[in-house]
Amino acid sequence: SQTIHQWPATLVQPVGSPLSLECTVEGTSNPNLYWYRQAAGRGLQLLFYSVGIGQISSEVPQNLSASRPQDRQFILSSKKLLLSDSGFYLCAWSVTGTRGETQYFGPGTRLLVL
Amino acid sequence: LAKTTQPISMDSYEGQEVNITCSHNNIATNDYITWYQQFPSQGPRFIIQGYKTKVTNEVASLFIPADRKSSTLSLPRVSLSDTAVYYCLVGDGSGGYQKVTFGTGTKLQVIP
Repeated sequence: SQTIHQWPATLVQPVGSPLSLECTVEGTSNPNLYWYRQAAGRGLQLLFYSVGIGQISSEVPQNLSASRPQDRQFILSSKKLLLSDSGFYLCAWSVTGTRGETQYFGPGTRLLVL
Repeated sequence: LAKTTQPISMDSYEGQEVNITCSHNNIATNDYITWYQQFPSQGPRFIIQGYKTKVTNEVASLFIPADRKSSTLSLPRVSLSDTAVYYCLVGDGSGGYQKVTFGTGTKLQVIP
């Protein structure tokens, strides 16, 4: 069966510090991968999506970046965090061509920038 | 991408049936309708998906009228553990990916 992992679960970082969040998927090949951010009490905002290794599309201009160095690994990064980067970060995967292409989400990383 | 509109919040007593309606007036021919459930501090979880008419699984039912411009998620006999945010999304999944927009969803509060 497929599983998705995210780490760390929680993170407290000072403003201006770098960020690296990792997401890995097991049990499937060539998944579509997504990074979302959710502010407190708000809906999910799509940040990046990837259809393959090295293929990244950005949905929202910001100081975040994403990379996909391996088929089932998706990394969210920042060189300098802002206060506004605080939130709940979710990674998700889906499989192309499946009916309706359901997305499956990881447990999330809660980031607090102080 | 078809935009969806759903109520911001709903309250229900335990044991009642809850119906959450979602409007998607510009749904495309190839679009499916998918509902997710999200508990606090967790990622959304797939509940049910349909294309037309009625779909039922062990958790919920999904009713889709013939024009497909709306859909209704039905939760039978809700319990306190059904308190969550429910999202309605439409998309076709064709091509390489499905770019979806999760709105604010419907916050369901089940009352004892």
